Amino acid sequence: GQQVMQIPQYQHVQEGEDFTTYCNSSTTLSNIQWYKQRPGGHPVFLIQLVKSGEVKKQKRLTFQFGEAKKNSSLHITATQTTDVGTYFCAGNYGGSQGNLIFGKGTKLSVKP
Amino acid sequence: EPEVTQTPSHQVTQMGQEVILRCVPISNHLYFYWYRQILGQKVEFLVSFYNNEISEKSEIFDDQFSVERPDGSNFTLKIRSTKLEDSAMYFCASTLYRDTRPLGRGEKLFFGSGTQLSVL
Repeated sequence: GQQVMQIPQYQHVQEGEDFTTYCNSSTTLSNIQWYKQRPGGHPVFLIQLVKSGEVKKQKRLTFQFGEAKKNSSLHITATQTTDVGTYFCAGNYGGSQGNLIFGKGTKLSVKP
Repeated sequence: EPEVTQTPSHQVTQMGQEVILRCVPISNHLYFYWYRQILGQKVEFLVSFYNNEISEKSEIFDDQFSVERPDGSNFTLKIRSTKLEDSAMYFCASTLYRDTRPLGRGEKLFFGSGTQLSVL
C-alpha cells in the first residue's frame, strides 16, 4: 500500500540549533500536509504543499515539496523550546483528500 | 477559533464490550473523519464520512466499527466488541469542504483533542 516514510524518528537539539525532518513517498503525492503534535496534544495543521518544487515559509519554519512530488522536508531555523513536539508529514494521493497517510513523525526535543 | 470537541477524554472498557466515542465537528463543516493513534505511533486513517454515508474506510475499519451522525451536530464512532488492540487515542477531524479540482488541493483537517480508549 501507499506509505510515507519519515526520518529521523527522534531529534535532540540544543536551543538555537537547526532541525530538519524528511518525508519520502514511493509514489507521487497529490499534496502533502504537515502537522505538529505537542506532547499529550492533538495534531495541529501547519501547512499544505501542492505544487512541484514548492517552498513555503512560516517565520523560522521552511517547508519544501520535491520536484517529483515524492518527498518533502520541514526545516526549523534556530530552534526554541516552544518547538518541542512531534512533527508529522501527511500525504494525500488524490481522490478523497481526507484519507491522509501519515508518516511516523519526528519527535523533536530542545535542550535549553 | 472554532474547535472539534470529543467526549469522553478517557474511556476504559472491558474486552468484548461496546464503546461509543462522540465528536462534535465544527458547525459548518461537511466532511468528518476518524483517525486513531496507538501510543507513540503514527496517526492512522479509519474512515471518512460525508452526506450521511461513509466515503472511504481503511482496512482497520472492519465490521466491528461503525459511524453515525445521529443528529445535526454529533458524529459517533462505535466499536461493537472491543479488543485489546483497539486501545489507542481516537481523533475526530472535520473539514469544510474538499477540493475536487484535478490539482488535488486538499483542505486542512481540524482535529479534536481525542479520546484515549483503554481496553482491559
